[in-house]
Amino acid sequence: EVQLVESGGGLVQPGKSLRLSCTASGFSFDDYAMHWVRQVPGKGLEWVSGISWNSNTRGYVDSVEGRFTISRDNAKKSLYLQMNSLRVEDTALYYCAKSKGGGDFWSGYSYFDIWGQGTLVTVSS
Amino acid sequence: IPLTQSPSSLSASVGDRVTITCRASQAISDFLVWYQQKPGKAPKLLIYAASTLQSGVPSRFSGSGSGTDFTLTISSLQPEDSATYYCQELNSYPLTFGQGTRLEIK
Repeated sequence: EVQLVESGGGLVQPGKSLRLSCTASGFSFDDYAMHWVRQVPGKGLEWVSGISWNSNTRGYVDSVEGRFTISRDNAKKSLYLQMNSLRVEDTALYYCAKSKGGGDFWSGYSYFDIWGQGTLVTVSS
Repeated sequence: IPLTQSPSSLSASVGDRVTITCRASQAISDFLVWYQQKPGKAPKLLIYAASTLQSGVPSRFSGSGSGTDFTLTISSLQPEDSATYYCQELNSYPLTFGQGTRLEIK
């Protein structure tokens, strides 16, 4: 079965760190770029970060640039998001998503045919 | 590139033809996709390249448009189509989504 499973969410204080993980199965993980998309409960979707198949290219939304780091381990079929200096406004459900278009980080490939179930990150004192 | 969806919500009856629009602030060719999201679930890809139906998606869903104006049409609304629909542009980073259209079945 093709699936993505996220983990690592939880309650954390502002200024602290958290590391999200996403494990893939059922497809050739190292053939595709991967992304993180978040959603404040009851609100819309926001693209957070993406990474090419070989980790050579990464990108971030401005609001997390310098605080979040995306990485991947193709041998472990895993995607990660290291989140530092967390803010209240980072509170959201974080989805891991597979790029349908291919392994490059080109924006034209960056639409998502496989999504995880999401992991909830709550930043609060 | 900001995207504006309209309407933000709508209510329609089973069998109705429903159209949702997505407008980009600048031309994006056909770099637009549509998702369906049901409560408590992850988004599901419906349409890519503005008008190509994703495998497994019912043929009552269709997309059209190019440049700045795009539409998602459901030709004959079914009860299971109750959901929120989002457009997303692929023209450049950071990728952006429309604010969503909540579709309710009367």
